[in-house]
Amino acid sequence: GQQVMQIPQYQHVQEGEDFTTYCNSSTTLSNIQWYKQRPGGHPVFLIQLVKSGEVKKQKRLTFQFGEAKKNSSLHITATQTTDVGTYFCAGPFNSGYSTLTFGKGTMLLVSP
Amino acid sequence: DGGITQSPKYLFRKEGQNVTLSCEQNLNHDAMYWYRQDPGQGLRLIYYSQIVNDFQKGDIAEGYSVSREKKESFPLTVTSAQKNPTAFYLCASSIPDRVYEQYFGPGTRLTVT
Repeated sequence: GQQVMQIPQYQHVQEGEDFTTYCNSSTTLSNIQWYKQRPGGHPVFLIQLVKSGEVKKQKRLTFQFGEAKKNSSLHITATQTTDVGTYFCAGPFNSGYSTLTFGKGTMLLVSP
Repeated sequence: DGGITQSPKYLFRKEGQNVTLSCEQNLNHDAMYWYRQDPGQGLRLIYYSQIVNDFQKGDIAEGYSVSREKKESFPLTVTSAQKNPTAFYLCASSIPDRVYEQYFGPGTRLTVT
């Protein structure tokens, strides 16, 4: 079954509003990744979080890894139309060689 | 420019035909991956390869086959045994030290009717 859940599935905001997507795992993760996929495009790696409670920032994007390493969030401050796309979290759930399991993603629409 | 190329961008086939999707990379990455993406869904791993002449099944390998004869190339064949082949197929690669930082190609959108 689904090992990583993302909420919400979809969010529509006005430009300038904030946005947050949440990723919840059924198991403790060694790390978690975030990817962004623009409409009609391919996923692009954004960031990796490894440490418990870790917070990383990329301009208006803030990424957090939960203390228990079972959840993560991506927060965008003051959204812009260029933020439109689907944001995926992905974690290594399989033992042995490390492969990624992706969440279903949160689709963000930003109206000007 | 280094990167991953997938061709063609759009592919149409009749049911019952096998079709091979191309994936080539000049990033000198050891690992390569094939994912399938359906509307509103995340990416699901079909096959992956850590090194040349070696590959492993992912979560949804049934109805697919791959080969890895060269480091640069990882073609995916969608066979007639795949029950729902219409999807967006994405190829990715990574270096051994950063297997979770995957670089994706532009994808091939396959439609089977």
